[in-house]
Amino acid sequence: DTGVSQDPRHKITKRGQNVTFRCDPISEHNRLYWYRQTLGQGPEFLTYFQNEAQLEKSRLLSNRFSAERPKGSFSTLEIQRTEQGDSAMYLCASSYGPGSGNTIYFGEGSWLTVV
Amino acid sequence: GESVGLHLPTLSVQEGDNSIINCAYSNSASDYFIWYKQESGKGPQFIIDIRSNMDKRQGQRVTVLLNKTVKHLSLQIAATQPGDSAVYFCAENSGGGADGLTFGKGTHLIIQP
Repeated sequence: DTGVSQDPRHKITKRGQNVTFRCDPISEHNRLYWYRQTLGQGPEFLTYFQNEAQLEKSRLLSNRFSAERPKGSFSTLEIQRTEQGDSAMYLCASSYGPGSGNTIYFGEGSWLTVV
Repeated sequence: GESVGLHLPTLSVQEGDNSIINCAYSNSASDYFIWYKQESGKGPQFIIDIRSNMDKRQGQRVTVLLNKTVKHLSLQIAATQPGDSAVYFCAENSGGGADGLTFGKGTHLIIQP
């Protein structure tokens, strides 16, 4: 068990550019979550997958945000036409089974700075 | 809307003392609660969880208490150590379709030597 892995850990991009973050969940976990965290706040739920199916995406912040999990293993979170307000830490988490009653483990996050 | 919140943004305790971090929640449908510890620049680290059919659960040096009557959750850390310094978040899962955790704003625990 190597934990939830995220890449890159840090990304600085110019406003208007697209960025993509990758998450590798704990290997036997079928649920994968994306959260966003800004300074001084708790993580904010964005979306989640069960295997390759995206079961909730209404919390994605805008249509510039999209996530995929094509083979039910790793996932990507893409932000198109980045804005300065997108600067935050993007956290990935995974669990085995539903989040209610099954421990959700987080990765170390991907820091995004939009300049 | 309903949310999870914390009573104190910062808590300072002496090394070796016990600490208690409180959390109030308002969603009566929540059935699962978790405490996370987050150190600067890192992701949240799972500490302990509790289901709504329990009122107390103990781990190593930590105890979580759940009072559903007043919708209150607390984390007790015994014999605090310098490594306990971090921001602590409570989170709830209300089930249903979203299946995402709702986090409070966090309490910054400071351990004084």
